[in-house]
Amino acid sequence: DQQVKQNSPSLSVQEGRISILNCDYTNSMFDYFLWYKKYPAEGPTFLISISSIKDKNEDGRFTVFLNKSAKHLSLHIVPSQPGDSAVYFCAASYTQKLVFGQGTRLTINP
Amino acid sequence: ETGVTQTPRHLVMGMTNKKSLKCEQHLGHNAMYWYKQSAKKPLELMFVYSLEERVENNSVPSRFSPECPNSSHLFLHLHTLQPEDSALYLCASSQDLGEWANEQFFGPGTRLTVL
Repeated sequence: DQQVKQNSPSLSVQEGRISILNCDYTNSMFDYFLWYKKYPAEGPTFLISISSIKDKNEDGRFTVFLNKSAKHLSLHIVPSQPGDSAVYFCAASYTQKLVFGQGTRLTINP
Repeated sequence: ETGVTQTPRHLVMGMTNKKSLKCEQHLGHNAMYWYKQSAKKPLELMFVYSLEERVENNSVPSRFSPECPNSSHLFLHLHTLQPEDSALYLCASSQDLGEWANEQFFGPGTRLTVL
C-alpha cells in the first residue's frame, strides 16, 4: 500500500516555461512534506519543504503548494532551466520517518 | 571528503557470498539511515540509528545486518541474499531525530546486483 504517489513517471517541459510536479498522499497524519532532487549517480538532495500548517512555501524559482483537503502536493519550478533536469521525489513525514514517492523524471528541453 | 560517502559504488555478488556496504558521514550528524530503492519503486526505509543505537528496523529480513560502530560510520552486512535484493542502497544522515529527521543528506548509493 503506497502512501505517497507520484503518478507521472516522467515530464518534459520547454526551457523557460513552468514545470509542475504532482504528488498525492493517503495518510492524513503526515505533518511535513518535502521535495528531493536526484541527478544520475548522485544521492537525492533536499530541495524544499512545507509544514502541514501552511499551504505554500516559496524559495526562489521553486514553490511548493499543499492542499490538505485533497491530500495533494505540488512543486512549481519557474522558469525551468536545463539544470533542473533530474528525478524529483516527493516525501512525507510522520513520526520522524520519511515516506517517499517513486519519483518523476523531469526533462527540460532547450 | 565532504557530505555522505558510500563504498563500494557498485557490487555484484552471488547468493552465497558475504559482503558489506559502508557509509561515512562527514557532517557531524547523530542519526543515520539505510534505504533500499528497487527498480520503479519508492525509497524504502530499512534501518535508523541514533547515536549508534538502532531505533528502527522496518521489517527487514535478517540477511541484512546493520552495524553502527560510531556516529560517523554505518555498515550494512549482507549474507545469503536473493536476486530480488538487487537494488540501489542509499545511506543518509540527519542532524538528529525529531524534526531534524525531515532534512536528510544522502550518499550516492551502492548499486547491488545479486546473481
